[in-house]
Amino acid sequence: EPEVTQTPSHQVTQMGQEVILRCVPISNHLYFYWYRQILGQKVEFLVSFYNNEISEKSEIFDDQFSVERPDGSNFTLKIRSTKLEDSAMYFCASSIVGHTEAFFGQGTRLTVV
Amino acid sequence: DAKTTQPPSMDCAEGRAANLPCNHSTISGNEYVYWYRQIHSQGPQYIIHGLKNNETNEMASLIITEDRKSSTLILPHATLRDTAVYYCIVRVMGAGDSGGYQKVTFGTGTKLQVIP
Repeated sequence: EPEVTQTPSHQVTQMGQEVILRCVPISNHLYFYWYRQILGQKVEFLVSFYNNEISEKSEIFDDQFSVERPDGSNFTLKIRSTKLEDSAMYFCASSIVGHTEAFFGQGTRLTVV
Repeated sequence: DAKTTQPPSMDCAEGRAANLPCNHSTISGNEYVYWYRQIHSQGPQYIIHGLKNNETNEMASLIITEDRKSSTLILPHATLRDTAVYYCIVRVMGAGDSGGYQKVTFGTGTKLQVIP
């Protein structure tokens, strides 16, 4: 069964450093998303991406965040200068045009120290 | 997206049916009912969705009342692996300026504990 894969599973970084979280969406999907979940809190939407551009972003997704689809398979989330409060699980998801369910990856646990 | 109300937690005996209720009294005519679940620290998993007819797949059944103001997700034979937080979400299918982006807005859900 096709699945969304995320790497790394766990990333530890120092405050102020840049991190790139990587995702390989399901191959025939065209819509891509990033969500995050701070420990013990709700899953929060960050950004959606379609046709090589951001289609929607939340208030969390400020200038420190960016997304990119550098090639035909990868979808990345970059945090330019990490803060302690960026520590969370980050989930990538994808969906196919005309379908309704989003398929989520297993997440990357980001720890900012 | 319409607001949903779910009980914060429920228990279910292993092997029995788990019935998870959801109220969505402000649902509008073009909004679907979706269910996702999140097993501890894993990515959310799509379960099922429906508009007004009852739906069944290999994971669960979805019963939507005739007035569409509430629904029930049924796991027919709960196992320990079904212990998770279950999210009921109401939203329009395929809405958005980009022709179909499908953001999912998660609430706090129902924490289902399946007991041996």
